[in-house]
Amino acid sequence: EVQLVESGGGLFQPGGSLRLSCAASGFTFSSSWMHWVRQGPGKGLVWVSRLNSDGSNTIYADSVKGRFTISRDNAKNMLFLQMSSLGVEDTAVYYCARGSGSYFTSWGQGTLVTVSS
Amino acid sequence: QSALTQPPSVSGSPGQSVTISCTGTSSDVGRYNRVSWYQQPPGTAPKLMIYEVTSRPSGVPDRFSGSKSDNTASLTISGLQAEDEADYYCSSYTTNTTWVFGGGTKVTVL
Repeated sequence: EVQLVESGGGLFQPGGSLRLSCAASGFTFSSSWMHWVRQGPGKGLVWVSRLNSDGSNTIYADSVKGRFTISRDNAKNMLFLQMSSLGVEDTAVYYCARGSGSYFTSWGQGTLVTVSS
Repeated sequence: QSALTQPPSVSGSPGQSVTISCTGTSSDVGRYNRVSWYQQPPGTAPKLMIYEVTSRPSGVPDRFSGSKSDNTASLTISGLQAEDEADYYCSSYTTNTTWVFGGGTKVTVL
């Protein structure tokens, strides 16, 4: 069974930094593209970033480019999202998702990041 | 990249059919057959329902079907059931090699 478990969320101050983690199991992580998708309170889904299987190619939404960095550790089946220069607009539940071509096959339960002073 | 356009809500009685539209541009929905749909009941994670416009993952009932015409994709739920009540989101790959979601549609079973 595919499992994705996010962690690292919490309350953070504007301008601060944090790192989210996603532990993967039940599939060949090292062969899978991985994504981060976020959902603001009461709002819709927003794609954030994608990382290819060996970690050599990344792409970001304009809203996070230059502030967020996606990475992975294939030896530990872990996906990460380093977030910096946080703004209140970054408040959201952050989901990691397994990609297959153009779609998202599996999703974690999400971790809530709240940015507030 | 602007979000794809979905109606905020649709509703139907049990057994009826409802259709959710998802309108994009020639840079996303109209360019590729790479539209997918996700179901999200309240307080839960999204679940893949349709991929590549018309394909259903194993385990998804055949009451769910997808289609596309020009820049608009659609999800149809036939034989609506109480368990289908949820938010539904479309997504498309784009010419910028990014992904874009719709704003979401709340399906209510009357």
